[in-house]
Amino acid sequence: DAKTTQPPSMDCAEGRAANLPCNHSTISGNEYVYWYRQIHSQGPQYIIHGLKNNETNEMASLIITEDRKSSTLILPHATLRDTAVYYCIVRGIQGAQKLVFGQGTRLTINP
Amino acid sequence: NAGVTQTPKFQVLKTGQSMTLQCAQDMNHNSMYWYRQDPGMGLRLIYYSASEGTTDKGEVPNGYNVSRLNKREFSLRLESAAPSQTSVYFCASRDRYGNTIYFGEGSWLTVV
Repeated sequence: DAKTTQPPSMDCAEGRAANLPCNHSTISGNEYVYWYRQIHSQGPQYIIHGLKNNETNEMASLIITEDRKSSTLILPHATLRDTAVYYCIVRGIQGAQKLVFGQGTRLTINP
Repeated sequence: NAGVTQTPKFQVLKTGQSMTLQCAQDMNHNSMYWYRQDPGMGLRLIYYSASEGTTDKGEVPNGYNVSRLNKREFSLRLESAAPSQTSVYFCASRDRYGNTIYFGEGSWLTVV
């Protein structure tokens, strides 16, 4: 699985959009980009994933660059409950069973 | 729907003692995982099992053993606990073609 690089921490004001970047320059053609988050002391929670196209669900939007070497997770209207560690993971949909989490980005939403 | 269930939730061990963390999932998932998370750190993969009867090492397997007892259950054993194994342990599962990894609530282990 491709390695990812994320900033260790970010801050965002409540109500504003939070944009979390992830670099995955060694991503291969069949690897997806996944985002999870971990709210303090809880198990990680799935947010969204994508291959090439931008994706949106009820939680967030995922923007993947055309060369697929980086992506951005967008929380459109951040709330205090979005304070968490966000993990970007790159892996194939099949076969690649070994799921490795990096250090993630600690996002703090400020009132 | 219980999802992924881990037991015990909290445990204190003395150095050198052994114990087994139990994990069960009721979603008929093929793959199961054990991670550890030290304070202020990210998740690190200890062992995983792609299917019943198979197990493979992750990033930090030393000091641990695992058993995939059946499709539902995946246990993690510490044969001789060390203070360096003080951590929160998370079990997770995923179906073969699924996009979502489901995590348990975590097991807090302290080795003194």
